[in-house]
Amino acid sequence: SQQGEEDPQALSIQEGENATMNCSYKTSINNLQWYRQNSGRGLVHLILIRSNEREKHSGRLRVTLDTSKKSSSLLITASRAADTASYFCATGGYQKVTFGTGTKLQVIP
Amino acid sequence: EAGVAQSPRYKIIEKRQSVAFWCNPISGHATLYWYQQILGQGPKLLIQFQNNGVVDDSQLPKDRFSAERLKGVDSTLKIQPAKLEDSAVYLCASRFTSGRYQETQYFGPGTRLLVL
Repeated sequence: SQQGEEDPQALSIQEGENATMNCSYKTSINNLQWYRQNSGRGLVHLILIRSNEREKHSGRLRVTLDTSKKSSSLLITASRAADTASYFCATGGYQKVTFGTGTKLQVIP
Repeated sequence: EAGVAQSPRYKIIEKRQSVAFWCNPISGHATLYWYQQILGQGPKLLIQFQNNGVVDDSQLPKDRFSAERLKGVDSTLKIQPAKLEDSAVYLCASRFTSGRYQETQYFGPGTRLLVL
């Protein structure tokens, strides 16, 4: 079963706009990770946020975590065509990493 | 640094046939995972190895799927016999078991399987 559920399922924006996607999960976590998957390829790790952190930045990425609501969001600022991909949240860390259903992002040049 | 290698990249078989996938993890990564990703879904963990021992295979359909990791390096995943619903991308991932980035998994490009 999927631990995380992302929304929206699909998102289409213009280049330069910001993209926000959300992840909700069911059980308590130690950390939450976000991965990107380009079409036809493997997943690439983007960022990890621990349960005692509320916000984390990495370049154009900003991740927030609200453990009381069991939710996380990923914000990509100033989007580029190369950001077109599917984005997955994942919980678990060391054992039984469980991925969400993914958000498919399309950035239109 | 070389990434996770997988082969073949694509495979087409008929139902009831057998198929095997191979994975070579990043050097030094003791933990290895096999995932099944059905089109439009997130990856689902099939099996996790720590060196050559199985840590978790609770979601592996053991009546038809098997996996091994001899000598704690390369791994193979086998399906015998294949069913139509096994059509998916099979992803291999590996990670360190200690250090700063131990929770980060590194994925291979995957093997796309089509069962006809």
